[in-house]
Amino acid sequence: EPEVTQTPSHQVTQMGQEVILRCVPISNHLYFYWYRQILGQKVEFLVSFYNNEISEKSEIFDDQFSVERPDGSNFTLKIRSTKLEDSAMYFCASSPPGEQYFGPGTRLTVT
Amino acid sequence: ILNVEQSPQSLHVQEGDSTNFTCSFPSSNFYALHWYRWETAKSPEALFVMTLNGDEKKKGRISATLNTKEGYSYLYIKGSQPEDSATYLCAFRTGTSGSRLTFGEGTQLTVNP
Repeated sequence: EPEVTQTPSHQVTQMGQEVILRCVPISNHLYFYWYRQILGQKVEFLVSFYNNEISEKSEIFDDQFSVERPDGSNFTLKIRSTKLEDSAMYFCASSPPGEQYFGPGTRLTVT
Repeated sequence: ILNVEQSPQSLHVQEGDSTNFTCSFPSSNFYALHWYRWETAKSPEALFVMTLNGDEKKKGRISATLNTKEGYSYLYIKGSQPEDSATYLCAFRTGTSGSRLTFGEGTQLTVNP
């Protein structure tokens, strides 16, 4: 069964560094998303992407964040100048119209 | 700000027990309600997408109901098994495909053998 994959599973970075989280959505899906869950909090929406552009973003998704679909299969989330409070589990999801299918997440630890 | 609440926060049951938990969401601007099953270190698994008031869906021993007028959904598990142990998340959507999901905090279910 097709599934969303994410790499790496765990990323440790120093404050101020840039990180790129990678996702391979399910092929033939049209919509792509990033969510995150800070430990002990709810899963929260960051951004959705359709037709090679951002379709919706949350108030969290400021200039520090960017998304890209560089080659038609990967979907990336870049976080510039990471802060301690960026430490979280980051989930990628993709959907045809309707159901959203999630990857297993990348745990980002900023030290 | 949309608020989605789930109760209880955690639940411990014995194998064979039936159980249910609740998801409450705003009754205005409703489009769809999603249920996910999430085991640690795995991807959240999609269980149901519900859109119509009065909808009832079933997948094996798991079923869900939806009341959009009063803003709640119930998830039922009949004859719980240890492999049902997981966190069950509900998520609310106000728009069509591509719209964000707003999640509850989840109900953590532990089924003791």
